Amino acid sequence: KAGVTQTPRYLIKTRGQQVTLSCSPISGHRSVSWYQQTPGQGLQFLFEYFSETQRNKGNFPGRFSGRQFSNSRSEMNVSTLELGDSALYLCASSLLTKREQYFGPGTRLTVT
Amino acid sequence: TQLLEQSPQFLSIQEGENLTVYCNSSSVFSSLQWYRQEPGEGPVLLVTVVTGGEVKKLKRLTFQFGDARKDSSLHITAAQPGDTGLYLCAGGSDYKLSFGAGTTVTVRA
Repeated sequence: KAGVTQTPRYLIKTRGQQVTLSCSPISGHRSVSWYQQTPGQGLQFLFEYFSETQRNKGNFPGRFSGRQFSNSRSEMNVSTLELGDSALYLCASSLLTKREQYFGPGTRLTVT
Repeated sequence: TQLLEQSPQFLSIQEGENLTVYCNSSSVFSSLQWYRQEPGEGPVLLVTVVTGGEVKKLKRLTFQFGDARKDSSLHITAAQPGDTGLYLCAGGSDYKLSFGAGTTVTVRA
């Protein structure tokens, strides 16, 4: 089976812009979670989608949003980018919610 | 505040030595997972433990889940440079997975 794929792998944006990141889960996985990873804060949970419904949400501002499509592919969007949004954004899929996570390689976002 | 506390934060050892990293919490988890992350990549699942007192072995890695399902440890025997990475534990409860901050392990050749 193909693993989790994320696009793009690297992105440079300017403060105030918005960005959309994409994630394709492992075939058959219905749960997709998003995480932000920074050296200072570690791995922080953003949100989880299961069968197109948001199941859980982490403690992030409303500028961070996501959605899941009927084929389980997911996108996350960050509006009005801030310098502090620079991070590695990881997508993970699993068969069921809160189960073993299979991570993609991540998207490295740099905000200047 | 991290729900899961991992210790130590950093660990640097010589090839061939043994090491143990810990994952502790005041919460009870229905399952606990260990991941290893290498630079520039996403974390890779190593093991899942679900039963209090459970011990699982993966080649030179030994994972233990505490009797009360609040803590876990990872022991590596005869560490190799390929074991270098960030080790993360994650606890599952109430439809949410919580990750620890991780232990950065460096094995010097």
